Amino acid sequence: DGGITQSPKYLFRKEGQNVTLSCEQNLNHDAMYWYRQDPGQGLRLIYYSQIVNDFQKGDIAEGYSVSREKKESFPLTVTSAQKNPTAFYLCASSAEGRLNQPQHFGDGTRLSIL
Amino acid sequence: QQQVKQSPQSLIVQKGGISIINCAYENTAFDYFPWYQQFPGKGPALLIAIRPDVSEKKEGRFTISFNKSAKQFSLHIMDSQPGDSATYFCAAGYTGGFKTIFGAGTRLFVKA
Repeated sequence: DGGITQSPKYLFRKEGQNVTLSCEQNLNHDAMYWYRQDPGQGLRLIYYSQIVNDFQKGDIAEGYSVSREKKESFPLTVTSAQKNPTAFYLCASSAEGRLNQPQHFGDGTRLSIL
Repeated sequence: QQQVKQSPQSLIVQKGGISIINCAYENTAFDYFPWYQQFPGKGPALLIAIRPDVSEKKEGRFTISFNKSAKQFSLHIMDSQPGDSATYFCAAGYTGGFKTIFGAGTRLFVKA
């Protein structure tokens, strides 16, 4: 079955630690996205990538970094500079971002602070 | 101007009733308006979407109504069922722009 796989489902971060969230898709989609979801605030865009080796900052990129070395993979690193990282993180992909095709989401990673 | 305002924040409906969620936007460049449904612990999934060349789109019990002049669109869930209990997000995007702007979400609870 085609889809988006996020791992791990739950992640805990210690103070001063960087953690990396995995996102893999087998939909052959060009565009991939990372969102942060907080209660009552909807989805806020962290980073997005239109093609391999290219990515753009979203609305809340500070304290986060990404890479897009392969079409199917778009990992997100939450750095120690992100002072309030506790949230539900969602990865998404779409066939052609420029045409605003529907986004397909993974089932998320819930990050908490130890 | 990039915001999408969604209301209500939460909604309780009796089984068999109609659930109505409203959204408003400012940016007239938006030309794609999807609705997503999210169950607890899961990612959102596309429910139904509309483009501004039509005023209404229906898929089963779900209908989007679109008012271009008022810059508003709404989701109607007819014959609401307990299985419809979820969080619903409206969103907006435009051709040539990679961003989709999401509303804050409406938590729907359908009482059996």
